[in-house]
Amino acid sequence: KQEVTQIPAALSVPEGENLVLNCSFTDSAIYNLQWFRQDPGKGLTSLLLIQSSQREQTSGRLNASLDKSSGRSTLYIAASQPGDSATYLCVPTGANNLFFGTGTRLTVIP
Amino acid sequence: DGGITQSPKYLFRKEGQNVTLSCEQNLNHDAMYWYRQDPGQGLRLIYYSHIVNDFQKGDIAEGYSVSREKKESFPLTVTSAQKNPTAFYLCASSIIKGSIEAFFGQGTRLTVV
Repeated sequence: KQEVTQIPAALSVPEGENLVLNCSFTDSAIYNLQWFRQDPGKGLTSLLLIQSSQREQTSGRLNASLDKSSGRSTLYIAASQPGDSATYLCVPTGANNLFFGTGTRLTVIP
Repeated sequence: DGGITQSPKYLFRKEGQNVTLSCEQNLNHDAMYWYRQDPGQGLRLIYYSHIVNDFQKGDIAEGYSVSREKKESFPLTVTSAQKNPTAFYLCASSIIKGSIEAFFGQGTRLTVV
């Protein structure tokens, strides 16, 4: 069964810092990988989708990389802002399902 | 606007009652999913459906039931057999099986009183 681990579990940084969130998964046979953010009490908002044949995707201040063979993905956030405070979820996908860890809770301090 | 709509946002249930959570999407997606989220845990799959009139159990289907009579709708019923129903429920949809880019609704928080 696919296991997803995100490190660190929680992260607190001052505004303006660049930061990296790490994700590892045990089964490299994935179709793609999505990064989501979740605000407290809200649904999930898709940030980036990396197809299994791709190695990275960029959207604004966000850059996600995927190393499928080693079961790793990273999300890089540049010039962090207080509005980036949320829980970030790395979600590899299989044929029938998405697989979730517990995410990284990010707090950006003004 | 295209998207997924879950209703209600908050729901209170008395013990022994069945309640139904609504999930509607206008994205023309074939696949729909229901997840449960508990504090400190990852999302867990309850049921999924890849086509109208067909659905499959996920990891924690006991005490839940679903229907998929229309492509746009995938309601979830939490039955009295679910012993610990208080949780945050999320519905998702994706365009096709095997290449899942998923989109989520805003969730329903169910509380047993």
